[in-house]
Amino acid sequence: AQSVTQPDIHITVSEGASLELRCNYSYGATPYLFWYVQSPGQGLQLLLKYFSGDTLVQGIKGFEAEFKRSQSSFNLRKPSVHWSDAAEYFCAVGSATDSWGKLQFGAGTQVVVTP
Amino acid sequence: DAGVIQSPRHEVTEMGQEVTLRCKPISGHDYLFWYRQTMMRGLELLIYFNNNVPIDDSGMPEDRFSAKMPNASFSTLKIQPSEPRDSAVYFCASSPGTEQFFGPGTRLTVL
Repeated sequence: AQSVTQPDIHITVSEGASLELRCNYSYGATPYLFWYVQSPGQGLQLLLKYFSGDTLVQGIKGFEAEFKRSQSSFNLRKPSVHWSDAAEYFCAVGSATDSWGKLQFGAGTQVVVTP
Repeated sequence: DAGVIQSPRHEVTEMGQEVTLRCKPISGHDYLFWYRQTMMRGLELLIYFNNNVPIDDSGMPEDRFSAKMPNASFSTLKIQPSEPRDSAVYFCASSPGTEQFFGPGTRLTVL
């Protein structure tokens, strides 16, 4: 069964500092990978996605993520965090061959941005 | 595109009452998902449809919950009777088969 692990429940980062959120997955076939962001009181918004090809993908709001097959990871990064990046971030994995359309979500990482 | 539309945005009801949540997916999306989000349990998939047919309802908590998708542009999630432990934010999402697009959610409070 596919699974997604986000090891960090909560991260505090200073405004202007870099941010990296970890995501590890367990899946036999090549997964589709996603990062979503949820601001307070809002729905989940897609930040970026990886299907195939270049393992470094760019997303909205200055975020990027790198797929590393050997480490079963898809970590999210941002070079310089803005106060508006305070939110909860979810990693998700899907498959083209199993339960097409269904995504497995991680538990989320809450990001707090300090002045 | 208006995105996924959910109504109502907020619902307050009393224990024992019937609650109906509504969702209009993005046109052309073949998949529709219902999720529940709480502080304690996080984001849970309740049920999902493909081409209006329920594919997996294993996440539906109990018989008090039911979901329908009578056509490609409308789905409902019904709770009857409602209980205080059903209080949560309920999200609808639609998908063309890859990424999912979420609605703004319905915040349900059962007193």
